[in-house]
Amino acid sequence: GQNIDQPTEMTATEGAIVQINCTYQTSGFNGLFWYQQHAGEAPTFLSYNVLDGLEEKGRFSSFLSRSKGYSYLLLKELQMKDSASYLCAGAGSQGNLIFGKGTKLSVKP
Amino acid sequence: DAGVTQSPTHLIKTRGQHVTLRCSPISGHKSVSWYQQVLGQGPQFIFQYYEKEERGRGNFPDRFSARQFPNYSSELNVNALLLGDSALYLCASSLDGAGDTQYFGPGTRLTVL
Repeated sequence: GQNIDQPTEMTATEGAIVQINCTYQTSGFNGLFWYQQHAGEAPTFLSYNVLDGLEEKGRFSSFLSRSKGYSYLLLKELQMKDSASYLCAGAGSQGNLIFGKGTKLSVKP
Repeated sequence: DAGVTQSPTHLIKTRGQHVTLRCSPISGHKSVSWYQQVLGQGPQFIFQYYEKEERGRGNFPDRFSARQFPNYSSELNVNALLLGDSALYLCASSLDGAGDTQYFGPGTRLTVL
């Protein structure tokens, strides 16, 4: 199967660090994507991991372990504007993206 | 440069009607994918087109169809609308679709009454 699991909701404090985990069970993913989606808007690309390890982009980092079927998105120095849903998606064999249900992150002052 | 554009922004239809949604990809991108997103869920893959050919199809009924034009723009058609088709329909473009990063348009919010 190609199930992608991530927590439904998380809450964190402004200025803090938060880690959003994503696990998957598949033999066909060609990489793992993270997207940010604010309410009522389209998903915005954050990161793409095709090899194991950590990719860093400013305040956001993403990690992938293919052997463990595990990824995480790390957000540092949280800001109020980071309140959004974060979607983990595997790259399928048809070129499609297979999304999890998303993690709704609330950043509190 | 313009991003992915979609039209219309919002649409209200009644059960049994037909709808056509339109998408223009980022300039230079040859692949367009369509996704359906219902409230509280992640987007679900419907179709992917590359160079006017269907490259992939998700688990949606035959009421859903799509096509891609020579200028790489695309249409998604849904026949015999059901209440359950109410959703945000997202179009994403990529260079060639095969593992490339997909960039999403603003979506079309379809409400079926």
